[in-house]
Amino acid sequence: GAVVSQHPSWVICKSGTSVKIECRSLDFQATTMFWYRQFPKQSLMLMATSNEGSKATYEQGVEKDKFLINHASLTLSTLTVTSAHPEDSSFYICSATGTEKPYEQYFGPGTRLTVT
Amino acid sequence: GENVEQHPSTLSVQEGDSAVIKCTYSDSASNYFPWYKQELGKRPQLIIDIRSNVGEKKDQRIAVTLNKTAKHFSLHITETQPEDSAVYFCAVHNAGNMLTFGGGTRLMVKP
Repeated sequence: GAVVSQHPSWVICKSGTSVKIECRSLDFQATTMFWYRQFPKQSLMLMATSNEGSKATYEQGVEKDKFLINHASLTLSTLTVTSAHPEDSSFYICSATGTEKPYEQYFGPGTRLTVT
Repeated sequence: GENVEQHPSTLSVQEGDSAVIKCTYSDSASNYFPWYKQELGKRPQLIIDIRSNVGEKKDQRIAVTLNKTAKHFSLHITETQPEDSAVYFCAVHNAGNMLTFGGGTRLMVKP
């Protein structure tokens, strides 16, 4: 149980284009979803927290107009990287919490974004 | 906000030896402390966690100890095996249901 999927697993895009990453909870309802970014050999850095039906809360230093987050249902959240640049190349990981164990975050497999 | 420090950043041990990784945190209200193992290019996997009302928890070769007064907790891996080689992250759960991660420890177990 408590499976989270992400799509795509990797994507290459050109500078200036936008990329959408999907995060789904497959067998539970995710009350909260989180988006992290991880650069090579570094830790996970929280970008934003989103609750179903409400606006995401962004961490300091994360541009909300550049990283658009939509949490339209209890099983789906999307992250859109707009006008991507090479410095946005990173490993993006989502996680989700449910009502049974609100402390425990279940992580998706991650999406490797490369901007050329 | 919460500040989590993790040491060491790299750790090399011989197969069969023990490995210890330590984390300190700043917010005394924090009450949930998970440890994750991450292999290259993969998602973090929860390996053990502890709540603030418990001082120690063990699961086979893995144990975690928590000292709330000193605000530090440690991961102990005994009888290490090559497949234990990975990056380990501690994390601290705080207000807003968020996790703050430590900087990570790259563990290398030499056969």
